This record gives sequence, C-alpha cells and structure tokens, in this order.
Amino acid sequence: GAVVSQHPSWVICKSGTSVKIECRSLDFQATTMFWYRQFPKQSLMLMATSNEGSKATYEQGVEKDKFLINHASLTLSTLTVTSAHPEDSSFYICSATSAAGAGELFFGEGSRLTVL
Amino acid sequence: GEDVEQSLFLSVREGDSSVINCTYTDSSSTYLYWYKQEPGAGLQLLTYIFSNMDMKQDQRLTVLLNKKDKHLSLRIADTQTGDSAIYFCAESMMDSSYKLIFGSGTRLLVRP
Repeated sequence: GAVVSQHPSWVICKSGTSVKIECRSLDFQATTMFWYRQFPKQSLMLMATSNEGSKATYEQGVEKDKFLINHASLTLSTLTVTSAHPEDSSFYICSATSAAGAGELFFGEGSRLTVL
Repeated sequence: GEDVEQSLFLSVREGDSSVINCTYTDSSSTYLYWYKQEPGAGLQLLTYIFSNMDMKQDQRLTVLLNKKDKHLSLRIADTQTGDSAIYFCAESMMDSSYKLIFGSGTRLLVRP
C-alpha cells in the first residue's frame, strides 16, 4: 500500500527553538496533506489542511504563525513549530491523499516532539 | 457540528470476539473508517466503509453501519493479544476535502 514517512520520529529541543517535521509520500503524489496533533491518551485533532502549491487552511484555534506549514511539492509537506515551548510537546501525525484516493488517507508514523 | 463518540475501554479474553462501537453526528459523512494505533506509533488503516453500505467484511474484521442511528461498529473475531491497541473510528465528508474527524479512541486490551 501507499507509504507516508515522517521525519524525525522523535525530537527533543530546548524551549524557544524552532523544529521542522517532514512528511513525505513515498510512492504517490499527495495533492492534499493533513497535520494532526495527538495529546497522550487522546484523539487526534486536525490542525491544518495543506494543498500543494497553496496556503494551508488552519482549523479554529490553531495559530498559523506558530505552526508553519509548507507543501511545496506533491510529495513533501513540512510543519515547523516556531519558538517551541513545553506545551507544544505532543505527537504530530501527518496524513496524505491523492486525487485518486477515493477518500483513503495514508498516515505517517508520527513525530514525537519534546520541548524542554 | 461534527462529533464522533466512542467508549474508552474494552477488555476481552483471547479467542473471544471484540465489538467496538462508535456514534457520529454528521449525516453527510461519505466514508467511515477504523484505524488502529499501537503504542508510540502512527495510525494503521484497518478498514473503511462507504456510507451507502450496511456491512463490510474483511477476514477477521466486520464493520456494521446503521446510517439511520448513525452507529458504526467494528467486530474483531478470534481476538488475539496482538490486537491490543487503541482503535479510532473516523468520518470524512466530501465537502471537506477528505479531512477526518476522529473519535476519542477505544483502548482494547486482550487478556491471555
């Protein structure tokens, strides 16, 4: 099946620094990618939807200046957590779909961010 | 608004069947999904059902959809210890570019 890969799988950073997480579709062209955030023992919350070549659409309550999303190509989307703080520590998961996906989404393995 | 509800926890014995239930509120859902998440891992798509179907079977998995009651269930036959995980149901809507709304997840514990 289709593969979506995230990198890094785990990152630890100091408070105030910025962290970039990559999401790649390895064997298909992802016209749309989604970024989710998951707190421990909780569900996934959709943060934003990104379409290749256009600005991301953020869900209500998500700070777009804090969570920068770039979808510059059909196989790569990046999430940059700017000036990270401990409350940004979370599990971030991306998913991707192609135009022919018929509603199927393929998820990355997730990236765990720990901000000290 | 959109809302997807699941029970939080289910414990079964190995070899028994597990039934995980989910209710949703948005009647415009096109696809409904079941995902499995193992500790520290991303999501694995188990199965999905189109909203005009009542049932879908895939090996040990049976999905039942009651569109009138907006109720979705996942039955796992002959549950194994390797099935222990968190199971999320999710719905997607055509007019939302396939974005998913997830339930809170049901933690399944399979006892030997």
